[in-house]
Amino acid sequence: EAQVTQNPRYLITVTGKKLTVTCSQNMNHEYMSWYRQDPGLGLRQIYYSMNVEVTDKGDVPEGYKVSRKEKRNFPLILESPSPNQTSLYFCASSFLAGRGGNQPQHFGDGTRLSIL
Amino acid sequence: AQSVTQLGSHVSVSEGALVLLRCNYSSSVPPYLFWYVQYPNQGLQLLLKYTSAATLVKGINGFEAEFKKSETSFHLTKPSAHMSDAAEYFCAVSDPRRGGATNKLIFGTGTLLAVQP
Repeated sequence: EAQVTQNPRYLITVTGKKLTVTCSQNMNHEYMSWYRQDPGLGLRQIYYSMNVEVTDKGDVPEGYKVSRKEKRNFPLILESPSPNQTSLYFCASSFLAGRGGNQPQHFGDGTRLSIL
Repeated sequence: AQSVTQLGSHVSVSEGALVLLRCNYSSSVPPYLFWYVQYPNQGLQLLLKYTSAATLVKGINGFEAEFKKSETSFHLTKPSAHMSDAAEYFCAVSDPRRGGATNKLIFGTGTLLAVQP
């Protein structure tokens, strides 16, 4: 089954304790992206990657890191989490838009992070 | 810069009534447009997408949307609401001039649809 898998689904942690949210896709997509969803703000892009070893900042990258060592994986790293990073996070993937038109993004089920 | 406006953060309809969720975009060129649905505790699922082939786009679960360039709108409709349609709906836009470079989507703030029995 084609899917984007995020782990963990829920996490409660404390300020300053490094954490990683994993994301894996099995559709051979080049493009992967992380979003955060906050009430009244919709989804905002944190980081994206167009292929292995190619990553770039989205609209709200502060306090986050990513890596893309393999095509299928795109982990999100919070080196020193703070309460303002409490949010619902989504990973998404798609083929690059150049493949005959724009490509819809496939989303994981989300990771709810609470930073105390 | 591109933006998406969804009028009405909450919409309530009766079961069997027409569903109309509004989306307006700002772009100097016709963009790629998408509607996604989010059910509780789930990720976003694609409902439908507009990519200039036809102005009326049919999606899953009986939803459709019409692209109106003159109104810069892409409103989502369904003739008869069902209880299972209760969810949050997001409109999103992608700039075709940049899509090849980033695939970036700009999302609206979402509309929560409630369906009353």
